[in-house]
Amino acid sequence: AQSVTQLGSHVSVSEGALVLLRCNYSSSVPPYLFWYVQYPNQGLQLLLKYTSAATLVKGINGFEAEFKKSETSFHLTKPSAHMSDAAEYFCAVSAANDYKLSFGAGTTVTVRA
Amino acid sequence: DTAVSQTPKYLVTQMGNDKSIKCEQNLGHDTMYWYKQDSKKFLKIMFSYNNKELIINETVPNRFSPKSPDKAHLNLHINSLELGDSAVYFCASSQEVGPNTEAFFGQGTRLTVV
Repeated sequence: AQSVTQLGSHVSVSEGALVLLRCNYSSSVPPYLFWYVQYPNQGLQLLLKYTSAATLVKGINGFEAEFKKSETSFHLTKPSAHMSDAAEYFCAVSAANDYKLSFGAGTTVTVRA
Repeated sequence: DTAVSQTPKYLVTQMGNDKSIKCEQNLGHDTMYWYKQDSKKFLKIMFSYNNKELIINETVPNRFSPKSPDKAHLNLHINSLELGDSAVYFCASSQEVGPNTEAFFGQGTRLTVV
């Protein structure tokens, strides 16, 4: 079975600073990796996904993530944080032999003015 | 137009009661899901239906019973509610079954059992 570990349950950044959210995966077969965002009192929304086409994936709202097989990582970054980025971020994994999405524990992002 | 809609948004009920949560999607998707998000925001899949057929049934108490009358609807019925059932329940849908398909989530139903 696949799993992901999100390092850091809470990240606080200043407005305009780099946002870096860490995600490491475990999978015995090539994984499909996702980042979802959950704004307060809302459902999850897909930010971006990796499906083996390109290791650097660009998503919505200026976010991007890089798949590094050697490090089994799929970290999410945004060069300049905006107040509207304050939310819960979830990394998730699935695979061809187990297409259920398995989510990480989430990282709460707060943005300081 | 809301793509995946759940009702009710909030549900407060006493232990032992039976309750249902309804979900409808207007995206024309074949696959629908129920997820449970606990108080620590951990998200775990409970059930999945594809074309009205149950395809994922995780280790969930049999007090929870999903029902899919058609491809656009997936309801969740819970019998004999317990305090530990308090959580946010999310319905989701995807175009098809597969490892790289995007899931679209509803806004969630916050269930509180007292």
